[in-house]
Amino acid sequence: NAGVTQTPKFQVLKTGQSMTLQCAQDMNHNSMYWYRQDPGMGLRLIYYSASEGTTDKGEVPNGYNVSRLNKREFSLRLESAAPSQTSVYFCASNSRSYNEQFFGPGTRLTVL
Amino acid sequence: AQSVTQLGSHVSVSEGALVLLRCNYSSSVPPYLFWYVQYPNQGLQLLLKYTSAATLVKGINGFEAEFKKSETSFHLTKPSAHMSDAAEYFCAVSVSVRFDRGSTLGRLYFGRGTQLTVWP
Repeated sequence: NAGVTQTPKFQVLKTGQSMTLQCAQDMNHNSMYWYRQDPGMGLRLIYYSASEGTTDKGEVPNGYNVSRLNKREFSLRLESAAPSQTSVYFCASNSRSYNEQFFGPGTRLTVL
Repeated sequence: AQSVTQLGSHVSVSEGALVLLRCNYSSSVPPYLFWYVQYPNQGLQLLLKYTSAATLVKGINGFEAEFKKSETSFHLTKPSAHMSDAAEYFCAVSVSVRFDRGSTLGRLYFGRGTQLTVWP
């Protein structure tokens, strides 16, 4: 099992450009999440999906959209990137066993 | 509302010394508690978890944590630090959120992290 995979690993964008971060999990988990990590801020929840076909906003959703394409895949889209979105983005999926979350390796995004 | 406070954004210890990373939580319901570790340029890896089975929880790499309900704490310890322990450590509390449509979701609330430095 690959667990949670994310693509790309690194990305540099110019202000105003758009891109989609991809995430997939092979653990048959219902719930999936997108976080951003910034120095001194811990992980902050952007969006989450409790099950296929449903998505909800987290703490910091502004400037992002998500799609739960199927049970395996959960993508994060930046329609018009801003320098404030420079961050490391993590996708995670949730085991029902004690709500343990499994994380992908992250995407390092720089917006110039 | 749930929240997690990690006291000390940076902790430095000598190799072989005791490691103590502090975590306090607030939760309106009995929580599940986690410690994750993040090595440089990597994702988060589960170190250990409290699931109400035992108050003293042992994890990987010699770490352990004790759940103290009266103090709402879940501090992480290791008797003897190793250079390879240098990393960032995150405490998290998990609660289940129930939706009107009947589904539930496990939501994690993270502390801001503690960077552990180990000196030779």
